[in-house]
Amino acid sequence: GQNIDQPTEMTATEGAIVQINCTYQTSGFNGLFWYQQHAGEAPTFLSYNVLDGLEEKGRFSSFLSRSKGYSYLLLKELQMKDSASYLCAVMDSNYQLIWGAGTKLIIKP
Amino acid sequence: ETGVTQTPRHLVMGMTNKKSLKCEQHLGHNAMYWYKQSAKKPLELMFVYNFKEQTENNSVPSRFSPECPNSSHLFLHLHTLQPEDSALYLCASSQEQGRGTDTQYFGPGTRLTVL
Repeated sequence: GQNIDQPTEMTATEGAIVQINCTYQTSGFNGLFWYQQHAGEAPTFLSYNVLDGLEEKGRFSSFLSRSKGYSYLLLKELQMKDSASYLCAVMDSNYQLIWGAGTKLIIKP
Repeated sequence: ETGVTQTPRHLVMGMTNKKSLKCEQHLGHNAMYWYKQSAKKPLELMFVYNFKEQTENNSVPSRFSPECPNSSHLFLHLHTLQPEDSALYLCASSQEQGRGTDTQYFGPGTRLTVL
């Protein structure tokens, strides 16, 4: 079966750095997506990785290792508004997104 | 504002009611999706339409019935639902299903409660 694993919840301090990991086992691979979802709101697109390596976009970076079936989302200089759930999703060989259950990130002052 | 709107935002219905959820996208996309989001569970894909043709139906019970009259509008018709159908129903759109870089953009969802 297909599976995406990510931690259920993480806590970090304002101004710090946090890394949210995602491991996957899917039928084929056509890219990995990260989304941010604030409580009661729509998931919003953060990043897309299809090749190995690090993609940097401002305070957020996303890393992919296809051989290890592993990705992480790195958030720097954390702000209170970064408190949200972060969803990892992999596009499989049928071009369907397989989703993780999400990581709830709590930022403390 | 992602360019995808959903109405209503909240819906409470009895098990014998019939209601419809509406989704509209203003992004010029050709694919639209219905997802179910339950607490602490992964998003569950329900239906996909690509260029108005239904391409996916992930074993969804017949009490959920989708309709896609054009590439900008998507409906989910509900009838004789069960309490376990209570969840957040998300609509999404993308340029075209079947490409790796195809990013999905989501609406704010309809919070459905079935009594």
